[in-house]
Amino acid sequence: DSGVTQTPKHLITATGQRVTLRCSPRSGDLSVYWYQQSLDQGLQFLIQYYNGEERAKGNILERFSAQQFPDLHSELNLSSLELGDSALYFCASSAGAGETQYFGPGTRLLVL
Amino acid sequence: QQQVKQSPQSLIVQKGGIPIINCAYENTAFDYFPWYQQFPGKGPALLIAIRPDVSEKKEGRFTISFNKSAKQFSLHIMDSQPGDSATYFCAASSVGSSNTGKLIFGQGTTLQVKP
Repeated sequence: DSGVTQTPKHLITATGQRVTLRCSPRSGDLSVYWYQQSLDQGLQFLIQYYNGEERAKGNILERFSAQQFPDLHSELNLSSLELGDSALYFCASSAGAGETQYFGPGTRLLVL
Repeated sequence: QQQVKQSPQSLIVQKGGIPIINCAYENTAFDYFPWYQQFPGKGPALLIAIRPDVSEKKEGRFTISFNKSAKQFSLHIMDSQPGDSATYFCAASSVGSSNTGKLIFGQGTTLQVKP
């Protein structure tokens, strides 16, 4: 158990819908990262927050957004969902930028 | 230039064998190179990591070899066991220059260790 929690574990929804994925980092970690894992693209970095502020952005679609709250938990919002958004979404946390990243168990999203 | 290329895509070895997984990168700003292990249905878990100021690092049965001039690094698993059967990912980040820690992952290697 990495200490990073993600909810929900599974999510099934329809195209065009909007979903919110939630992540609670390990106690004391200030940095939260979101990654997408799909069969064709592998593990792709989406976005990073550090102590409430956006620190880095990767290949994140405009339909996707994220935020980190004062209690340091983070949410990833996916809107106007497409079939191709079906993937595993992982959250990771670290004490600071560049420290070891600990991954959560992931949320499996299926868009039908 | 942000890519990390990993090979082979899959690997089958007998118990006790030494599987070797290789990764290559282009971006000379990368300064942190971790390896992650992932079992089906689980998130990636850090195995071992290296920084470019050393050429080799060992932790238990896992060894990273790092060749800075060739921009390559590899994972060796000594005395492999069936429980090591998993997908392995190499990654890289440029912590020093970007201060973000975002990881760029290789495509992954599926390892099967036969009893």
